[in-house]
Amino acid sequence: ETVLTQSPATLSLSPGERATLSCRASQSVSSCLAWYQQKPGQAPRLLIYDASNRATGIPARFSGGGSGTDFTLTISSLEPEDFVLYYCQQCNNWPYTFGQGTKLEIK
Amino acid sequence: EVHLVESGGGLVQPGGSLRLSCATSGFTFSSYAIHWVRQAPGKGLEYVSAINDNGGSTYYGDAVKGRFTLSRDNSKNTLYLQMGSLRPDDTAVYYCARDRSSWPQVADYWGQGTLVTVSS
Repeated sequence: ETVLTQSPATLSLSPGERATLSCRASQSVSSCLAWYQQKPGQAPRLLIYDASNRATGIPARFSGGGSGTDFTLTISSLEPEDFVLYYCQQCNNWPYTFGQGTKLEIK
Repeated sequence: EVHLVESGGGLVQPGGSLRLSCATSGFTFSSYAIHWVRQAPGKGLEYVSAINDNGGSTYYGDAVKGRFTLSRDNSKNTLYLQMGSLRPDDTAVYYCARDRSSWPQVADYWGQGTLVTVSS
């Protein structure tokens, strides 16, 4: 099983700041890596697929990068509604797996 | 507009069975792969199962392999997850989600989930 490790577990920043979230895979997942956002009580929302492609309707402040085993999700200027949970997911090796999540909190 | 609505959740005793359904609308169901993902209370996301567009290929997470069976009825635009030999650690909200393509990779539309509680 491909283990995804997200870091940090919690990231404390202020609105307007830049956020960089990391996801590291235990083996190569090529570029088959997605990022999801989850607000409390809601289903996850797809942000990024194929490591760097924004999903439909996702603001340009969200961007993804990386390949192989190291990936990042960057939020260029944090808005108040961005302070929620983020998960990465790999789709290269079955069983597909999620990271444990990064919580973005207001500093 | 794409919609997925899960149903069939509830309270079941350990060792029991339950069938979840995922009714869909707003897209050509037979052209897309579908996923099931679960989330235990206060925990992260866990992959359960996925099926390709024509139902010819199914995939299961290690925790449910041999106990859960995924199927689809393209004539009814509905997906079914038959769950057996249920354990307390199967307690979770179960989400169905549509893939971006015919082959399971990434889910772009999600239902609101149905809660399954396994307890005596």
